[in-house]
Amino acid sequence: DADVTQTPRNRITKTGKRIMLECSQTKGHDRMYWYRQDPGLGLRLIYYSFDVKDINKGEISDGYSVSRQAQAKFSLSLESAIPNQTALYFCATSQQGAQYFGPGTRLTVL
Amino acid sequence: KQEVTQIPAALSVPEGENLVLNCSFTDSAIYNLQWFRQDPGKGLTSLLLIQSSQREQTSGRLNASLDKSSGRSTLYIAASQPGDSATYLCAVNPSGTYKYIFGTGTRLKVLA
Repeated sequence: DADVTQTPRNRITKTGKRIMLECSQTKGHDRMYWYRQDPGLGLRLIYYSFDVKDINKGEISDGYSVSRQAQAKFSLSLESAIPNQTALYFCATSQQGAQYFGPGTRLTVL
Repeated sequence: KQEVTQIPAALSVPEGENLVLNCSFTDSAIYNLQWFRQDPGKGLTSLLLIQSSQREQTSGRLNASLDKSSGRSTLYIAASQPGDSATYLCAVNPSGTYKYIFGTGTRLKVLA
């Protein structure tokens, strides 16, 4: 089984809908991250969390919110999706300087 | 502000060639640097992690070097194979943070 899993893997939604992307990990890491990837722009950090009570905004947090339900679970929400949030979203964990990524969620907002 | 650059953006080489991918960063105060491989539409697979105190790391046909003073890292791939075709990303972890700054990647194609 994969150490970092993301659900759903693909999602198509409409403008204005609320969307939740979920991430779970079995690595036992405290630090978790949400990124989005756009062609030509690389990976950009949305939110990160160092433990259940510690959540921090990244460089592009506007329009997003997160919830750290447990050490193993970190969810990303789009309260009211818009087309420019169409992207590939990745969850990651880290420990001792190394990052470990989930398989990604491809989100399309029409 | 730390910035990470990878040049070239794309590279095509014949099978069997040795090649070097470049990663440059603007601030030498880093905790570590990590190289990843990404296949189209897939997640990132970690290849090598170099701590700031290290000069290089090796795994199989891959060798990554780090020169903090010049703000550069290279990923050397020996005897390239078509299966090496992918996008290669580097990421730096600035000192004093647990955040990571990514380059935009080099898309490698190895021709059979």
